Amino acid sequence: DADVTQTPRNRITKTGKRIMLECSQTKGHDRMYWYRQDPGLGLRLIYYSFDVKDINKGEISDGYSVSRQAQAKFSLSLESAIPNQTALYFCATSEGNRGNNEQFFGPGTRLTVL
Amino acid sequence: SQQGEEDPQALSIQEGENATMNCSYKTSINNLQWYRQNSGRGLVHLILIRSNEREKHSGRLRVTLDTSKKSSSLLITASRAADTASYFCATDEGRTYKYIFGTGTRLKVLA
Repeated sequence: DADVTQTPRNRITKTGKRIMLECSQTKGHDRMYWYRQDPGLGLRLIYYSFDVKDINKGEISDGYSVSRQAQAKFSLSLESAIPNQTALYFCATSEGNRGNNEQFFGPGTRLTVL
Repeated sequence: SQQGEEDPQALSIQEGENATMNCSYKTSINNLQWYRQNSGRGLVHLILIRSNEREKHSGRLRVTLDTSKKSSSLLITASRAADTASYFCATDEGRTYKYIFGTGTRLKVLA
């Protein structure tokens, strides 16, 4: 079984709709991240959480919100989707200690906003 | 703005040749990481080098770090067609332990 899972894997929606992307992990990691990837732009950090009570904005948080329901779950919401939010979205996790910050990525969610 | 910038943006080589890609960053870091991404899939961690290290090896990978120049390089030796992928560096901006990724180098290894 995959350690970091994302649902849905693909989603097509319309402008103005509310969308939730979900991420679950079985690695027992405290830290979780949401990124978006656009062609030629690499990954950009949307939000990150270092534990259940901790939520932090990343580079491009406008238009997004997150919820850390438990250590294992971190959800990303688009309150009112717009076409320029069409992208590939990745969730990632990492341990909380200073020595090892390797990130483990989910398979991604391909979101299309029409 | 991106913390890490990879160079070149794209690289095409023959199987068996070495591939070198570079990453530059802007602020002080605790460590720098390299990741690989096959088309449209999640990133996979390759190697981490700490700010007090200058060189690190893992199999056919060799990473160097020059903190005075704020740059790193990834060398893949004896490349294979299966190495075809995009490669990203990631740095913890200002030692915050949140990671900023560069725009990546697209490597194509021709058989």
